[in-house]
Amino acid sequence: DTEVTQTPKHLVMGMTNKKSLKCEQHMGHRAMYWYKQKAKKPPELMFVYSYEKLSINESVPSRFSPECPNSSLLNLHLHALQPEDSALYLCASSQEGRGGALGTDTQYFGPGTRLTVL
Amino acid sequence: GDSVTQMEGPVTLSEEAFLTINCTYTATGYPSLFWYVQYPGEGLQLLLKATKADDKGSNKGFEATYRKETTSFHLEKGSVQVSDSAVYFCALSDNTGGFKTIFGAGTRLFVKA
Repeated sequence: DTEVTQTPKHLVMGMTNKKSLKCEQHMGHRAMYWYKQKAKKPPELMFVYSYEKLSINESVPSRFSPECPNSSLLNLHLHALQPEDSALYLCASSQEGRGGALGTDTQYFGPGTRLTVL
Repeated sequence: GDSVTQMEGPVTLSEEAFLTINCTYTATGYPSLFWYVQYPGEGLQLLLKATKADDKGSNKGFEATYRKETTSFHLEKGSVQVSDSAVYFCALSDNTGGFKTIFGAGTRLFVKA
């Protein structure tokens, strides 16, 4: 199984709503990532978890709150978003053995959640 | 800092044409190099990768050779199909520790029947 799944596929929310994006993988990968991708742009890294601990936060606003409940699951909690936060949110995972440099392994991406903030 | 530069698109080709998408990089260490592909409405998929100089990555008829002397990793395919229409991202990751995966801007490919 080389699949990363993400739910929901589409999400429309108002600026006062609270919602969560979910990501799941069953490949035994120990690193998981959140990326934001705007139209016609490359993915921008937001967060990296390694062995369920937050390793990297790329200066993301606090209205985005990641959570890694276990090695297979990654959530992104959203609160008080702005219209400019509308984008495709991609989850990825990679094997990353202990001592490995994050990002050097192949990353497996999910299909993304298309988020629209009204 | 490290960076990846790809040729600007879109690239429009007829079916069975030869494809080249240029990619050059700057890096302080010894990066691994990747090509990812994104089909419409989907996430990114690894197309191929190379981890050291002179390595050739290949998959589904696509090839790219890690050229340290020219700091390049150009993507080629001898005969494209309509189903190859997608956005192609060149990327590098630094092996010197810490997370550094850097994506190029992406090149959109349209293949006409």
